[in-house]
Amino acid sequence: TQLLEQSPQFLSIQEGENLTVYCNSSSVFSSLQWYRQEPGEGPVLLVTVVTGGEVKKLKRLTFQFGDARKDSSLHITAAQPGDTGLYLCAGVTGNQFYFGTGTSLTVIP
Amino acid sequence: SAVISQKPSRDICQRGTSLTIQCQVDSQVTMMFWYRQQPGQSLTLIATANQGSEATYESGFVIDKFPISRPNLTFSTLTVSNMSPEDSSIYLCSVYLEVDGYGYTFGSGTRLTVV
Repeated sequence: TQLLEQSPQFLSIQEGENLTVYCNSSSVFSSLQWYRQEPGEGPVLLVTVVTGGEVKKLKRLTFQFGDARKDSSLHITAAQPGDTGLYLCAGVTGNQFYFGTGTSLTVIP
Repeated sequence: SAVISQKPSRDICQRGTSLTIQCQVDSQVTMMFWYRQQPGQSLTLIATANQGSEATYESGFVIDKFPISRPNLTFSTLTVSNMSPEDSSIYLCSVYLEVDGYGYTFGSGTRLTVV
């Protein structure tokens, strides 16, 4: 059983559509991160959220940390083919670091 | 953030042989991490490499199969020993920098295929 469950696991959408990826857990995290990984590359950090209820925006990407710090969401507005990749959430609880199960996004031109 | 050079980027190896993966960081870091990833899936931590001490292995991973070296604060190697097709995967090294929320920085990975 994974500590951080992401949904959906796979997502294929048309360019210009909006989407939301969810990262859920029953555990409380001191911080949570989102990464994007493109084929043939390692994951790249997009954002770190540390405060319950925190919202961060990175261009067309909006990240939210749940009030109870158990979950997070990533919303992409007007998706572009360059957004294609594997999205991973990751959280710190105690002194342990956990990766989510991953969401593979394909944006079709 | 740190810059990590990992090599080889990919290799095809014969069953029963060993492959050593190298990871070079442009900053001095206390801990380096080795992960395994099936394409399109999440990451599984293999071990944490500390300079000056033995690596700490996660459940399901043992030193005889995945020996790790950490000779200094900028370099580490992971060896995949006596390989079988089940070892075919992507192997990634990573470091964590608590500076400006940089989080984990990853190498570009080594795609290993065992035939």
